[in-house]
Amino acid sequence: DTGVSQDPRHKITKRGQNVTFRCDPISEHNRLYWYRQTLGQGPEFLTYFQNEAQLEKSRLLSDRFSAERPKGSFSTLEIQRTEQGDSAMYLCASSLWGRTSTDTQYFGPGTRLTVL
Amino acid sequence: GESVGLHLPTLSVQEGDNSIINCAYSNSASDYFIWYKQESGKGPQFIIDIRSNMDKRQGQRVTVLLNKTVKHLSLQIAATQPGDSAVYFCAENLDQTGANNLFFGTGTRLTVIP
Repeated sequence: DTGVSQDPRHKITKRGQNVTFRCDPISEHNRLYWYRQTLGQGPEFLTYFQNEAQLEKSRLLSDRFSAERPKGSFSTLEIQRTEQGDSAMYLCASSLWGRTSTDTQYFGPGTRLTVL
Repeated sequence: GESVGLHLPTLSVQEGDNSIINCAYSNSASDYFIWYKQESGKGPQFIIDIRSNMDKRQGQRVTVLLNKTVKHLSLQIAATQPGDSAVYFCAENLDQTGANNLFFGTGTRLTVIP
């Protein structure tokens, strides 16, 4: 399978715990995005990387959230001191950005987080 | 409690009929638009995209129409099949050369009746 993969697919945690999600993009895609999606809504942008550089962060990304892409390949999203409001599907997408590409974003299956 | 999902616009079509899903976008400066299909429990799946310098683009069984005058986007699905049942999102991208976050609409739930 050469698509975007995410791990874990489901995570149940207690309020106040830290959680970390992983995303593996499509090979050679230089951009990687994180989105959050709540029930009945479209995905909302959180942050994105071009190679290992984090170029933009949404105001939705509170200081409890941190994302990394240390080697420009896989990425991790960590949420510290989780709150019930963090319960959502966390989606990762990747794209190949360049002068001749349209930067189409391809999404992974998501990680569903439930905070009890 | 009441599910937010119940507020999704819905469209029911008979198998074999054509479907038209509409989307209004907000930013006249948006230059790139994408339609995604999302099945329950899965991530959004790319269907088709269109740049703002085009009015129409066709794919396999799908056509996207862009009307920049009224900031309207539509997705037409020909000969709708049960496997087309899903939530469909339009997304706009403001700037291809800078920030590239996609802004998604609320989605339309398409149900295909066999």
